[in-house]
Amino acid sequence: GNSVTQMEGPVTLSEEAFLTINCTYTATGYPSLFWYVQYPGEGLQLLLKATKADDKGSNKGFEATYRKETTSFHLEKGSVQVSDSAVYFCALSRYTGTASKLTFGTGTRLQVTL
Amino acid sequence: NAGVTQTPKFQVLKTGQSMTLQCAQDMNHEYMSWYRQDPGMGLRLIHYSVGAGITDQGEVPNGYNVSRSTTEDFPLRLLSAAPSQTSVYFCASSYRAQGAIEAFFGQGTRLTVV
Repeated sequence: GNSVTQMEGPVTLSEEAFLTINCTYTATGYPSLFWYVQYPGEGLQLLLKATKADDKGSNKGFEATYRKETTSFHLEKGSVQVSDSAVYFCALSRYTGTASKLTFGTGTRLQVTL
Repeated sequence: NAGVTQTPKFQVLKTGQSMTLQCAQDMNHEYMSWYRQDPGMGLRLIHYSVGAGITDQGEVPNGYNVSRSTTEDFPLRLLSAAPSQTSVYFCASSYRAQGAIEAFFGQGTRLTVV
């Protein structure tokens, strides 16, 4: 079946540091890949997505590239801010003809300090 | 611009009680889903629906019922609450765009079963 593996957190960084959160996946066929962000006390929000190999998703300074050869979709940001503190979820979906369900990783908590 | 609305936000139940978590969306999406979020386990799919009158089980359906009589509403019923159902529950509404499913989440219901 489909699965997503994320690096365990928490990740603690100083403001303006470089961020990488690793994500690898297992799926048959050609899934779509996503990063969702969850701020404290809120639901999940879509951060970025990529629908095919070599696509790069980007939003709010975050980027991730769909690498089929390594089955990875690592999240990066060049300079994090305190406001980026949140839990980040990697996810995949694969349309089966009748439904398309999301499979999530366990989430990585990011804490950014001054 | 409501999006996905979940009620209640917080609930405490006694073991054996029943209740219904409400979810409504105003985006006319076909797909709706219920997830539970537990520490270290990410989000796990409970039940989902691909349209009014059509529902199916997800990864962890036991102890929960759903129905979808309208496009807008997708309530989740706990038949006889157990402490193992203490969790944060998220409803999502989804649509397919450019071959990928894009999900919008409610703010969650934090349920405690004592």
